[in-house]
Amino acid sequence: GAGVSQSPSNKVTEKGKDVELRCDPISGHTALYWYRQSLGQGLEFLIYFQGNSAPDKSGLPSDRFSAERTGGSVSTLTIQRTQQEDSAVYLCASSSGTALQETQYFGPGTRLLVL
Amino acid sequence: RKEVEQDPGPFNVPEGATVAFNCTYSNSASQSFFWYRQDCRKEPKLLMSVYSSGNEDGRFTAQLNRASQYISLLIRDSKLSDSATYLCVASSGGSYIPTFGRGTSLIVHP
Repeated sequence: GAGVSQSPSNKVTEKGKDVELRCDPISGHTALYWYRQSLGQGLEFLIYFQGNSAPDKSGLPSDRFSAERTGGSVSTLTIQRTQQEDSAVYLCASSSGTALQETQYFGPGTRLLVL
Repeated sequence: RKEVEQDPGPFNVPEGATVAFNCTYSNSASQSFFWYRQDCRKEPKLLMSVYSSGNEDGRFTAQLNRASQYISLLIRDSKLSDSATYLCVASSGGSYIPTFGRGTSLIVHP
């Protein structure tokens, strides 16, 4: 079956511009995560959606970052007024959302470069 | 102090070698543990879950030591294709948000 997909795969933008990154989770998965991975670094948790519950935004680094999940499926991560330090790979993952010990399935990521 | 710590390596081993990685976690409430594998410029993929009793999957063995708060991954008979970064993951009780370590790099050479 189809896995997690993300678009665009690569994004180059100028400092100060807004960007939108999209994630399509595996069909039926209620849990969706956004992470950020900088070169040589681990995964930094950004935001978590579970069904219709209010998202856990505790990992968002600043108010320039926001995310939505429409209809419990597709999610969009928006970064406003991008800065060079926002350059990273943004990874989305989904899981069935039914238990704590669950496999997360990752998308291929969006490589963001802010010039 | 980072919640999940790993030796970044790289571990440089010949084919056929046995190699082991440890990962320590600071939150004693952690209940779920995993090893993920990440190839260069690819997304992480689950390698195996780590159970209290330890578990084995072919050449891979994972163990959990709650008293010392670490998990380990043992790879026997290393293959060239095992070259990757191995990410340790811990989730605290009641939380769906896992904490990833920075990963341990393994290079298997001929």
